[in-house]
Amino acid sequence: QQQVKQSPQSLIVQKGGISIINCAYENTAFDYFPWYQQFPGKGPALLIAIRPDVSEKKEGRFTISFNKSAKQFSLHIMDSQPGDSATYFCAASMETSGSRLTFGEGTQLTVNP
Amino acid sequence: SQTIHQWPATLVQPVGSPLSLECTVEGTSNPNLYWYRQAAGRGLQLLFYSVGIGQISSEVPQNLSASRPQDRQFILSSKKLLLSDSGFYLCALERGGTDTQYFGPGTRLTVL
Repeated sequence: QQQVKQSPQSLIVQKGGISIINCAYENTAFDYFPWYQQFPGKGPALLIAIRPDVSEKKEGRFTISFNKSAKQFSLHIMDSQPGDSATYFCAASMETSGSRLTFGEGTQLTVNP
Repeated sequence: SQTIHQWPATLVQPVGSPLSLECTVEGTSNPNLYWYRQAAGRGLQLLFYSVGIGQISSEVPQNLSASRPQDRQFILSSKKLLLSDSGFYLCALERGGTDTQYFGPGTRLTVL
């Protein structure tokens, strides 16, 4: 029940296209859903996060869509750029777990010029 | 804003040798601190977390241990390294009650 399943494992997109990464969870007690971006050899950096009281959150070219009934959330990267090429992780936590994050397995995004 | 320091950045150790990785944070007080391990091409596995000095919770039974001797210092240790301990070790902090975790630059450990 603690798993977060992420797909696809890898994604190749052309410059200017839309990148979409999906995550699904089982535990309905999860109440915080962040996305992290990680470049090779670096620590993950928080990109955007959402709580289940809203269905969508947008920050610049990055949007999280959240479907509480389906227990799914996704990251959309609009106008994808080569500099967006990185590994993206979704995660989830719940207040009662003291903010311990459960991570998805990651999606390696490549944006071709 | 907070800053997380980890050292060393890279480490190559023989099997059976001891380990000590250090994480120190600046710009915040009484943070929650976390140790994660990331295998190549994989997700992050939570190893330990700490809500205060001397308070350590272990998530995965293994030959690693953690200590928090000071509010802004978190140490990951092992008495005898295994090949399977190789990986990218990340320290993270969370300012109390915010849910948001910030990660340090990581330590790449290779056990030969």
